[in-house]
Amino acid sequence: TQLLEQSPQFLSIQEGENLTVYCNSSSVFSSLQWYRQEPGEGPVLLVTVVTGGEVKKLKRLTFQFGDARKDSSLHITAAQPGDTGLYLCAGIDNYGQNFVFGPGTRLSVLP
Amino acid sequence: DVKVTQSSRYLVKRTGEKVFLECVQDMDHENMFWYRQDPGLGLRLIYFSYDVKMKEKGDIPEGYSVSREKKERFSLILESASTNQTSMYLCASISGETYEQYFGPGTRLTVT
Repeated sequence: TQLLEQSPQFLSIQEGENLTVYCNSSSVFSSLQWYRQEPGEGPVLLVTVVTGGEVKKLKRLTFQFGDARKDSSLHITAAQPGDTGLYLCAGIDNYGQNFVFGPGTRLSVLP
Repeated sequence: DVKVTQSSRYLVKRTGEKVFLECVQDMDHENMFWYRQDPGLGLRLIYFSYDVKMKEKGDIPEGYSVSREKKERFSLILESASTNQTSMYLCASISGETYEQYFGPGTRLTVT
């Protein structure tokens, strides 16, 4: 059974600070996705990383896929209150038929 | 603009009632999933469907069934609701090319 772990589980920071959250597994994934979910809403896809070592940037967010395709990180620069939410990573197997979600990191950015 | 809609945002049902949760997508996707989301447990897959009239059990199918009579509509059925089925239910429509999941807004179900 493929499992994804995310750390930290909770993170509360001040506006303007930088942060990194992690997504780890002992399994290899063909690709990995990051989603953000706001309270009372469904998750929204932020990015998909496919190649080992790949780095993608989305404004102040930087996503990295591990070389072995077992882990990923999300770094936010100069966090803003609008970044508040639950960040979920999801791994996809080689056949694109099995998705595994991590439990999420709940981020709170205080003004 | 892609869209996944769910029939209700909030629902309160009594133990033993039959509950229908509907999900509709307008992206012509073949793949649709139903998840439940509980604090600390993340998203857990209940059922999924890769085509009309086709369904497969996910990780936690007990107490649930599904129906996919039309491509755009995927329904989740709680045959006899129980209090441990109180949860947030999320439907997702998945692109067969990119595997991106498009989620509905969720239905928060409370069973009393």
